[in-house]
Amino acid sequence: AQSVTQPDIHITVSEGASLELRCNYSYGATPYLFWYVQSPGQGLQLLLKYFSGDTLVQGIKGFEAEFKRSQSSFNLRKPSVHWSDAAEYFCAVEWGAQKLVFGQGTRLTINP
Amino acid sequence: GAVVSQHPSWVICKSGTSVKIECRSLDFQATTMFWYRQFPKQSLMLMATSNEGSKATYEQGVEKDKFLINHASLTLSTLTVTSAHPEDSSFYICSASGGESYEQYFGPGTRLTVT
Repeated sequence: AQSVTQPDIHITVSEGASLELRCNYSYGATPYLFWYVQSPGQGLQLLLKYFSGDTLVQGIKGFEAEFKRSQSSFNLRKPSVHWSDAAEYFCAVEWGAQKLVFGQGTRLTINP
Repeated sequence: GAVVSQHPSWVICKSGTSVKIECRSLDFQATTMFWYRQFPKQSLMLMATSNEGSKATYEQGVEKDKFLINHASLTLSTLTVTSAHPEDSSFYICSASGGESYEQYFGPGTRLTVT
């Protein structure tokens, strides 16, 4: 069965530091992969998605993610975080007809 | 960008009563809407998928008689939690997709507390 694992429940980084959030998936076919951000009082916002092609995907707000089939990973990165990046981040895989399976989420805290 | 709203944003109800949650696409026609449930500090779990004018398709383990979903128009879907119990307390999130974009747009969620 399809599944998504985000190994880090909570990550704290200093403002201006680089960030990498990990995501591993289990899926039998070529996956459609997504990263969403959830802020309090707001709906999930799509940061970026991978369907096919270039394995390095650029998203909004300066985020990027790299699809590595050999490692079944789709890690999210940002070279320099801002205090406004503090939020909950979810990785997701689509397994059919737009049905999404989400990881457990990683809560990001930014130290000033 | 596309906006999805939910109403109410939070609701408290007594055990045994029913509560209705609305999900609206404000600036696009949503041919498909999805309902998710999110427990505290946990992931979103897909409950059901609804297409306008059709019966909803429920995921395994979701009681269709307890969680009634109606998608009567291209801009509105409702989730009714019938005979609510404390274990139904959760954060319910809808999403909608339609038009040219393949993307799902998420509502801000509704927090349900059953006392």
